[in-house]
Amino acid sequence: GIQVEQSPPDLILQEGANSTLRCNFSDSVNNLQWFHQNPWGQLINLFYIPSGTKQNGRLSATTVATERYSLLYISSSQTTDSGVYFCAVLTGNQFYFGTGTSLTVIP
Amino acid sequence: EAGVTQFPSHSVIEKGQTVTLRCDPISGHDNLYWYRRVMGKEIKFLLHFVKESKQDESGMPNNRFLAERTGGTYSTLKVQPAELEDSGVYFCASSPWLSNYGYTFGSGTRLTVV
Repeated sequence: GIQVEQSPPDLILQEGANSTLRCNFSDSVNNLQWFHQNPWGQLINLFYIPSGTKQNGRLSATTVATERYSLLYISSSQTTDSGVYFCAVLTGNQFYFGTGTSLTVIP
Repeated sequence: EAGVTQFPSHSVIEKGQTVTLRCDPISGHDNLYWYRRVMGKEIKFLLHFVKESKQDESGMPNNRFLAERTGGTYSTLKVQPAELEDSGVYFCASSPWLSNYGYTFGSGTRLTVV
């Protein structure tokens, strides 16, 4: 199956700081999505972004499909941003998830 | 429009017991998927239904897991008997037929086997 690698695996930020999360994938994909798994385990869809750039409040994402990577930007981080961020790519009928970036935002 | 609904949200059972997880997809979505994340590892595909038919069950770990989707609406995932390594979060997702987008994941069921 397709390989999805995320970096960094862990990240600790001071509240208010900015960060960039990266997702590399090994093959062409039909779809790419970023998710946030909150401390209660809920998987929240952040972006559907197979290519280009999107912004939603303090979050934005960019996917360069030709170079097989995607970036998630978090600006002015808040403690509620803590959790695990997953990148998932769709090929065929299933998503392949990365191992996630565990983000902790401290006050 | 209601999202993908999963219940229970959390289940704690003893090793050897049976648990049944339920997923209600978005109305009209023919595709329904089960995924799970165990032991802090990546989220992995379990199986895919198209309406009531199993399209792909290559991710099912063993025969202790049984998924059904009677009538092509909601789906259940039964674990019998549960083992400690089955602990994790089980996610359901749905999408319209022949769509590369519009995937919606449920909020998951956290299963703890003690």
